[in-house]
Amino acid sequence: GAGVSQSPRYKVTKRGQDVALRCDPISGHVSLYWYRQALGQGPEFLTYFNYEAQQDKSGLPNDRFSAERPEGSISTLTIQRTEQRDSAMYRCASSSDPSARELFFGEGSRLTVL
Amino acid sequence: AQSVSQHNHHVILSEAASLELGCNYSYGGTVNLFWYVQYPGQHLQLLLKYFSGDPLVKGIKGFEAEFIKSKFSFNLRKPSVQWSDTAEYFCAVKSGSARQLTFGSGTQLTVLP
Repeated sequence: GAGVSQSPRYKVTKRGQDVALRCDPISGHVSLYWYRQALGQGPEFLTYFNYEAQQDKSGLPNDRFSAERPEGSISTLTIQRTEQRDSAMYRCASSSDPSARELFFGEGSRLTVL
Repeated sequence: AQSVSQHNHHVILSEAASLELGCNYSYGGTVNLFWYVQYPGQHLQLLLKYFSGDPLVKGIKGFEAEFIKSKFSFNLRKPSVQWSDTAEYFCAVKSGSARQLTFGSGTQLTVLP
């Protein structure tokens, strides 16, 4: 596609449920990043991939969060046993080169945990 | 760890007024600096970036930013704002060897027609 596509755009779930957020990067982009943005804050880094390899997951807040990019294209961010504090906008970005000179962001997935 | 401070959370201007949004970062080494913008209902997009060379960087839509190393600052400026500049603006920093960006908390700019 022309841009980074994220789905679902909006997700409302009950506490304790698992959620999966999907990111389809710009075709051919090597690097893919996940960020989380709480209300009134800037995006915070979660994790990133070069091709299918997860290069850095230091930003994942705890072991309920995981991400994969098995074929080096589409990525899924999974949150297990969701908690209310997980409510946020989850943003995906991709870059054509590993040095991240420019990130192209998707429109985000708004997660609300009740 | 590096951090980014945007001191103005909400700025309200009239059309044709001049704009300056502050951005300060804390990191002593080589940095790459960015301003991203999010227009209402749209995704984050790059406004301008600094990697090296001339510290005065020009971006899209008439925006510019100046990197002042001694002040650890990268302020965003525009001589004359338009109603269409209403958006949220984020400053971001990437240290030389890192791959992830550290963002500030953002500044909401409202331009009154």
